[in-house]
Amino acid sequence: EDQVTQSPEALRLQEGESSSLNCSYTVSGLRGLFWYRQDPGKGPEFLFTLYSAGEEKEKERLKATLTKKESFLHITAPKPEDSATYLCAVLPDSNYQLIWGAGTKLIIKP
Amino acid sequence: DSGVTQTPKHLITATGQRVTLRCSPRSGDLSVYWYQQSLDQGLQFLIQYYNGEERAKGNILERFSAQQFPDLHSELNLSSLELGDSALYFCASSDGDGPYEQYFGPGTRLTVT
Repeated sequence: EDQVTQSPEALRLQEGESSSLNCSYTVSGLRGLFWYRQDPGKGPEFLFTLYSAGEEKEKERLKATLTKKESFLHITAPKPEDSATYLCAVLPDSNYQLIWGAGTKLIIKP
Repeated sequence: DSGVTQTPKHLITATGQRVTLRCSPRSGDLSVYWYQQSLDQGLQFLIQYYNGEERAKGNILERFSAQQFPDLHSELNLSSLELGDSALYFCASSDGDGPYEQYFGPGTRLTVT
């Protein structure tokens, strides 16, 4: 069964303290892996698409990487405005529906 | 601002009633997706339309239905509402027929009392 698991569920960091969020997936074949950011009460905001193992994408303090079984979202020197829930979603070969992870709630304390 | 609009922002209604949620996709996008997000279940895909045709179906209840109109806006109809239908309902759009980069609207918060 296709599955996406994100860890940790929640992460509290001090401002400037770098860390990584994990998205592990089990699918028969991967069309693409997506990262979104969601602020409370708002719609998810698209961040990155990764298509193949070894691929990396960067945007400001965020960098997403992909292996054959997982993706990491690295956050370098985070600021309080980076606080949000980060969602990972996978598009498998088997169908055209995204499989969403439950998200990691990131809190950056000043 | 993603360019996707949803109305209304908030909706409070009673059990057994029927409501319609409306979504206008980003200019040029042909696909519309509907999602339900509740506290205990995360983001659940309901249904996708591409250029007026149903493209994919997720965990959508029989009491729920949707359509996409020739001008590409979409409506999600929820009927015989139950307390458990209280949730945030998001619409998203993308330019192709696949759920690649999706742009989400601000959502409609539905409260069933």
